[in-house]
Amino acid sequence: QKEVEQDPGPLSVPEGAIVSLNCTYSNSAFQYFMWYRQYSRKGPELLMYTYSSGNKEDGRFTAQVDKSSKYISLFIRDSQPSDSATYLCAMSAATGGGNKLTFGTGTQLKVEL
Amino acid sequence: DAGITQSPRHKVTETGTPVTLRCHQTENHRYMYWYRQDPGHGLRLIHYSYGVKDTDKGEVSDGYSVSRSKTEDFLLTLESATSSQTSVYFCAISGGLAKGSTDTQYFGPGTRLTVL
Repeated sequence: QKEVEQDPGPLSVPEGAIVSLNCTYSNSAFQYFMWYRQYSRKGPELLMYTYSSGNKEDGRFTAQVDKSSKYISLFIRDSQPSDSATYLCAMSAATGGGNKLTFGTGTQLKVEL
Repeated sequence: DAGITQSPRHKVTETGTPVTLRCHQTENHRYMYWYRQDPGHGLRLIHYSYGVKDTDKGEVSDGYSVSRSKTEDFLLTLESATSSQTSVYFCAISGGLAKGSTDTQYFGPGTRLTVL
C-alpha cells in the first residue's frame, strides 16, 4: 500500500462547478501538506501549503487538512477551463532544510466549457 | 519556473550509453533535488543535495549518480542507461530555511528521456 493515495481520475466537470480533490495518507508523522498543479508537459507548480489540521483559503482555492482522518482536500470554486491540469498532493513529516516530500500520483482534472 | 533550467529538455538514447542531465538554478538555493515521474508512481526522489559536494540518496537511487560542484548546478548521471529509466526527470530547489520555517520546493520544466 502506498503512503499517499490519490484517485487518478480523470475528473471532468463543467465550467463554474466546485471541484473537490482528495488524498489519503497512512503516515501519521506527516505534518506539512502541499498541493501542486501540473500542466501537460510542464513542471509542477506550488498551489497551496498548509501546516497541520485546518483550512487555508487563497482566492478560488481552499485546502483542508483533517489529520485525525489522514485526509486532505483541495476545493476549487468557480472552476475555469484554465484549471484543467493534473493536481498532485504532497506531504512531509518535517520542514526546514532538505525535507523529503511524498507525492500522490496526481488527479487529472478537465474543466469543460 | 523559479529560475530553474534543465538541459537537455528531450533526449533519446540507447541502452548501455551514459547520460548526464543538468539542472541549473539562479536562485542561490541551498537544496537541490532530482525526481523522476512515471505513470502510476507519481514523483519519486532519486537524489538530493544539501550543499556543494554534499549529496544523499532518495527513494529510487539505484542506477543513478549525482554531483554538485557549484551551488547553481546539480548533475544527474545514468552510468549505463536502461529502458526502465525512460521517464520524465524533474529538478527541484528549496531554500532550506531555518527549522520551523516553511520550506517549499520549486520545480524545473523537466527533461523527457527515452532509452531505446
